[in-house]
Amino acid sequence: ILNVEQSPQSLHVQEGDSTNFTCSFPSSNFYALHWYRWETAKSPEALFVMTLNGDEKKKGRISATLNTKEGYSYLYIKGSQPEDSATYLCAFKSGGSNYKLTFGKGTLLTVNP
Amino acid sequence: DVKVTQSSRYLVKRTGEKVFLECVQDMDHENMFWYRQDPGLGLRLIYFSYDVKMKEKGDIPEGYSVSREKKERFSLILESASTNQTSMYLCASRGGGFNSDYTFGSGTRLTVV
Repeated sequence: ILNVEQSPQSLHVQEGDSTNFTCSFPSSNFYALHWYRWETAKSPEALFVMTLNGDEKKKGRISATLNTKEGYSYLYIKGSQPEDSATYLCAFKSGGSNYKLTFGKGTLLTVNP
Repeated sequence: DVKVTQSSRYLVKRTGEKVFLECVQDMDHENMFWYRQDPGLGLRLIYFSYDVKMKEKGDIPEGYSVSREKKERFSLILESASTNQTSMYLCASRGGGFNSDYTFGSGTRLTVV
């Protein structure tokens, strides 16, 4: 079983703060790294798929970077809002698997108004 | 929009019962997945199917089986429910393209008493 680690496990920030969290994954046999946002009582929602070393992707106030050589990805949220409160999941796909994503345990973000 | 529909949001079953969790997707996706989510453990893959009648074990298949008789429907079966199968079950589907996102259902929270 592949090891995908996310840190921190949980995070409380104030509205307007910027924040970031980390996903680490095996640096060998890398194929893709996915980020999802999972709000309470909803389905996980896809944010980014990242495939190339040095990739940076952005969606509104959320952005992500990828370092495949050292096996980590950062997710950044600029100017956090209460509606950003959710669990953020990363998931790793290796070159050997066409189908399977291995998920980290997630980072639970709470943004206080 | 792709929709993945899980038949029940909440389910309570007795130990020893045979339990069926149903998942239907409406976008002709080839790949379908069943995960369970437990506090502190993240999303863990139970089974997946890459085509009709095709299935593969995930990381934690023990105590479960699956059925995919039609492309749009993927059923998870608990042959004899046990209390340690109390969990949130998430179904997902994924279309063609090596880096396609997963689309998730809204989950079934199963309690086995």
